[in-house]
Amino acid sequence: IAGITQAPTSQILAAGRRMTLRCTQDMRHNAMYWYRQDLGLGLRLIHYSNTAGTTGKGEVPDGYSVSRANTDDFPLTLASAVPSQTSVYFCASSDSGEGDYGYTFGSGTRLTVV
Amino acid sequence: QKEVEQNSGPLSVPEGAIASLNCTYSDRGSQSFFWYRQYSGKSPELIMFIYSNGDKEDGRFTAQLNKASQYVSLLIRDSQPSDSATYLCVRTGSARQLTFGSGTQLTVLP
Repeated sequence: IAGITQAPTSQILAAGRRMTLRCTQDMRHNAMYWYRQDLGLGLRLIHYSNTAGTTGKGEVPDGYSVSRANTDDFPLTLASAVPSQTSVYFCASSDSGEGDYGYTFGSGTRLTVV
Repeated sequence: QKEVEQNSGPLSVPEGAIASLNCTYSDRGSQSFFWYRQYSGKSPELIMFIYSNGDKEDGRFTAQLNKASQYVSLLIRDSQPSDSATYLCVRTGSARQLTFGSGTQLTVLP
């Protein structure tokens, strides 16, 4: 593993089903984030975690939950998928150091809810 | 009003020209900004980071920040077809969270 790994790459999901998007990083970054990207709306923050054991809500958290049991993993769960959750989901991480703390992004999960 | 505004484009420039990408922001307390590049179907990748008023140069890229005017720009000199992508203007916020603009699509014509 190098950087951030997301799985699956893509998924078609029936409405009402539960699904977990996986995200693992090997850079020992403290902070991790989940974004969704929709055409014309850019990337919007769903949930974040500044350190293992803590999580917070972003701009669009409804219908999603996260956990951060350890530094490396930050799964995103859709409890009961709806078509409006069709999107591309990006996991990202950042170091907690000062100065330039740009994000490193995973390759994304393309989710279609039908 | 969106927190970070970008012209969605598309912006087309000929190969070798200077591409100018612009961004305005609403939160006067914003301290620093990133420019990310995103190729179609790929994840965003960091190009530049700027937090001081003025210009910051890195190779063919120059980021410009004017906090009084709440304006950020990215100049790409000697544009190449490989620069064709969507460019995202991003501001930093609390808890190290980033707020993304919706992006400007750039096409460099051979």
